[in-house]
Amino acid sequence: DPKIIQKPKYLVAVTGSEKILICEQYLGHNAMYWYRQSAKKPLEFMFSYSYQKLMDNQTASSRFQPQSSKKNHLDLQITALKPDDSATYFCASSQDLDWGGYEQYFGPGTRLTVL
Amino acid sequence: GDSVTQTEGPVTVSESESLIINCTYSATSIAYPNLFWYVRYPGEGLQLLLKVITAGQKGSSRGFEATYNKETTSFHLQKASVQESDSAVYYCALGGTGGNNKLTFGQGTVLSVIP
Repeated sequence: DPKIIQKPKYLVAVTGSEKILICEQYLGHNAMYWYRQSAKKPLEFMFSYSYQKLMDNQTASSRFQPQSSKKNHLDLQITALKPDDSATYFCASSQDLDWGGYEQYFGPGTRLTVL
Repeated sequence: GDSVTQTEGPVTVSESESLIINCTYSATSIAYPNLFWYVRYPGEGLQLLLKVITAGQKGSSRGFEATYNKETTSFHLQKASVQESDSAVYYCALGGTGGNNKLTFGQGTVLSVIP
């Protein structure tokens, strides 16, 4: 059974619209993350959450807003979508945040295409 | 900022041959980073292959090895004899220690093993 669920798997949006990417983890972890991988670029860290609190934000744009309604949920709302937002977005989780050696487990990703 | 550079792929190796994928890092914001190799097999999600959190130590998994060399800021991945099932994309990553679990990834190296 998948331990980290991301929905949808594929998403097509028009410029200017708003979308929400869903992430749920069933590992009992306390820390969750979002990463993004654009074409021909490395995976890039976006956010980290610990116990539903934002801990680190490396995303310059306020158009990206994580939302944590439950401990094991970390959704990503993206507003005013631009073609440059086209990427695969990965959710990840780890046992905790306070020690960098914890393994991060990754979801399968949501591939977003903005036309 | 922090960065990771790894062998540019694709890399093609014949089965039973040896493999080395180079990884060097620059950790400007972290004194003693944790180092990781992640792998994505075809059709699967990103998963941890091995990690080393102490400089000078070696990590190993599934026949792969990597040594954390602080002097040369390297973390090369090696395997003495590859198998066709090792065909995948390999990512080198560095992570923070204590309160900062952000991972900085290299661009990934596509490995194809020819039977």
